[in-house]
Amino acid sequence: AQSVTQLGSHVSVSEGALVLLRCNYSSSVPPYLFWYVQYPNQGLQLLLKYTTGATLVKGINGFEAEFKKSETSFHLTKPSAHMSDAAEYFCALDGSSNTGKLIFGQGTTLQVKP
Amino acid sequence: DTAVSQTPKYLVTQMGNDKSIKCEQNLGHDTMYWYKQDSKKFLKIMFSYNNKELIINETVPNRFSPKSPDKAHLNLHINSLELGDSAVYFCASSQGIGSGNTIYFGEGSWLTVV
Repeated sequence: AQSVTQLGSHVSVSEGALVLLRCNYSSSVPPYLFWYVQYPNQGLQLLLKYTTGATLVKGINGFEAEFKKSETSFHLTKPSAHMSDAAEYFCALDGSSNTGKLIFGQGTTLQVKP
Repeated sequence: DTAVSQTPKYLVTQMGNDKSIKCEQNLGHDTMYWYKQDSKKFLKIMFSYNNKELIINETVPNRFSPKSPDKAHLNLHINSLELGDSAVYFCASSQGIGSGNTIYFGEGSWLTVV
């Protein structure tokens, strides 16, 4: 069965510190992986995605993620946190046979302290 | 212009009522979706449509009936609302189905059943 696990439902960092949000997946087929961000009372915005090719993926707002097949991971990082990064972050897997179904992780709330 | 727009954004209604949420996308996409986010922020697909044809019905109760009059619209009608239907409903769209196509989400419709 396909699944996504985000380790840590709540992550707190100081402004300027490294952000690391963890995501592990399980898939029987080569996965397509996504990170979305949700600000309070808003919809989901795509940060970045991995389909094929380069395993280090750069996204918007200075975020990047590395696909590691051997570790079945797709962790999200940002070198220096800003206050505006405080939000809910979702890792998602598209391992479907052309159904368009995204399987989401539980989400991680990122808190940025001044 | 909002790419995926849904109305209403907030809806408070009584148990037993029937309500609809409308969704429109102006991206020219072929595929549209409804996702549900529960009170714990967990996201799960409900329906996907490709070229107005139903692709996925993810074990959603019959009280939920999506309707796609054309490729740009996917409305959600809910009959006999129950307390457990309280959630955020997200409409979304993508150019194609599966294969890592980016799914673009609307701003969400906050449904509260009292």
